[in-house]
Amino acid sequence: DAGVTQSPTHLIKTRGQQVTLRCSPKSGHDTVSWYQQALGQGPQFIFQYYEEEERQRGNFPDRFSGHQFPNYSSELNVNALLLGDSALYLCASSFGTGRVYEQYFGPGTRLTVT
Amino acid sequence: AQSVAQPEDQVNVAEGNPLTVKCTYSVSGNPYLFWYVQYPNRGLQFLLKYITGDNLVKGSYGFEAEFNKSQTSFHLKKPSALVSDSALYFCAVSLYGASKIIFGSGTRLSIRP
Repeated sequence: DAGVTQSPTHLIKTRGQQVTLRCSPKSGHDTVSWYQQALGQGPQFIFQYYEEEERQRGNFPDRFSGHQFPNYSSELNVNALLLGDSALYLCASSFGTGRVYEQYFGPGTRLTVT
Repeated sequence: AQSVAQPEDQVNVAEGNPLTVKCTYSVSGNPYLFWYVQYPNRGLQFLLKYITGDNLVKGSYGFEAEFNKSQTSFHLKKPSALVSDSALYFCAVSLYGASKIIFGSGTRLSIRP
């Protein structure tokens, strides 16, 4: 049984560019959450997707957007990249929106913005 | 608002000695509490969680944590540290029905041989 998978593992982008990160949830899970972990900090909640809709959002600007597909996989899009967007982006999946106590994290995508 | 505090940026322990990593929380309601570990260039690994019931929670790799409601604490402990326990540890809190987990800033645990 595959756990949460994320792609790519690493990527480097230039300021002002756009980036798309991908996440496949654990088998049987239908909810995907995204977190940003800046260097030296704990992960911060970006948003959660369930039934192809954004259900809750953290304190992140509109440059951060997402999508969930019918197979429950998800994408995180960041537009107009800033140097401060450099971070490890973590995806987490669960079954249902309110079951964070059964949330599984993926290995993350490390984004470097130059 | 929910918050988590990890007062120590780093904890240094000799191998074989007991270790404690401190965590305090603030929530309005009954908390769900978690400990995660992160190794270099890796994602988060779940260690243990408190949802309800027994205040002493046992988790992976011999770790345990005690929920103390009066002190709003959830310290992580292990009776005998291993060098391989050296990593970054995060305490986190959530609430029943919530969609997100709030993480602390992390504590770097260093176990010397």
